[in-house]
Amino acid sequence: GAVVSQHPSWVICKSGTSVKIECRSLDFQATTMFWYRQFPKQSLMLMATSNEGSKATYEQGVEKDKFLINHASLTLSTLTVTSAHPEDSSFYICSARPGLASSYEQYFGPGTRLTVT
Amino acid sequence: QKEVEQDPGPLSVPEGAIVSLNCTYSNSAFQYFMWYRQYSRKGPELLMYTYSSGNKEDGRFTAQVDKSSKYISLFIRDSQPSDSATYLCAMSADEVGYALNFGKGTSLLVTP
Repeated sequence: GAVVSQHPSWVICKSGTSVKIECRSLDFQATTMFWYRQFPKQSLMLMATSNEGSKATYEQGVEKDKFLINHASLTLSTLTVTSAHPEDSSFYICSARPGLASSYEQYFGPGTRLTVT
Repeated sequence: QKEVEQDPGPLSVPEGAIVSLNCTYSNSAFQYFMWYRQYSRKGPELLMYTYSSGNKEDGRFTAQVDKSSKYISLFIRDSQPSDSATYLCAMSADEVGYALNFGKGTSLLVTP
């Protein structure tokens, strides 16, 4: 149980275009989902926290107009990178937490590798 | 100063060795401590979870937390080539509702 999927697993896009990444909890309802970004040999950096049905909370330094997060249902959250630039190339990982679960009960997706050319 | 510090390595050990991985932190509010394993191009998976100070053992893995020194460790006994991965420590100040603060991760290579 507790499987989280991400789609796509790898995407290449041209500079200036937008890319949407999906995160789904397959066998549980995720009240909270998190979006992380990970550069090579770096830690996971939290970008934003989203709760179903409400606006996402963005971490300091993350542009909310550039990284659009939608948590429309208890099993789906999407991250849209708008007007992507090469510096947005990174590994994007989502995690999902069941309702009222402990903080360690985050189940991570396999990640999406974004390359902007 | 970052809240969580972790030596990125790489750390290379022979098969069967005991591996010691460590993190230090600065936020005394952290009470929940986790270790994740991440294989290349995959999402992290939870290995161990510890609350407050003390030891916890699970098979070949032992997690230690010393809150007085703000220092946590993960020991791997009888290391195997399949243990080769990046190990991330993570911490949280509260059990429910708080996001995790991750270390950079230590890259471990266990050679046959």
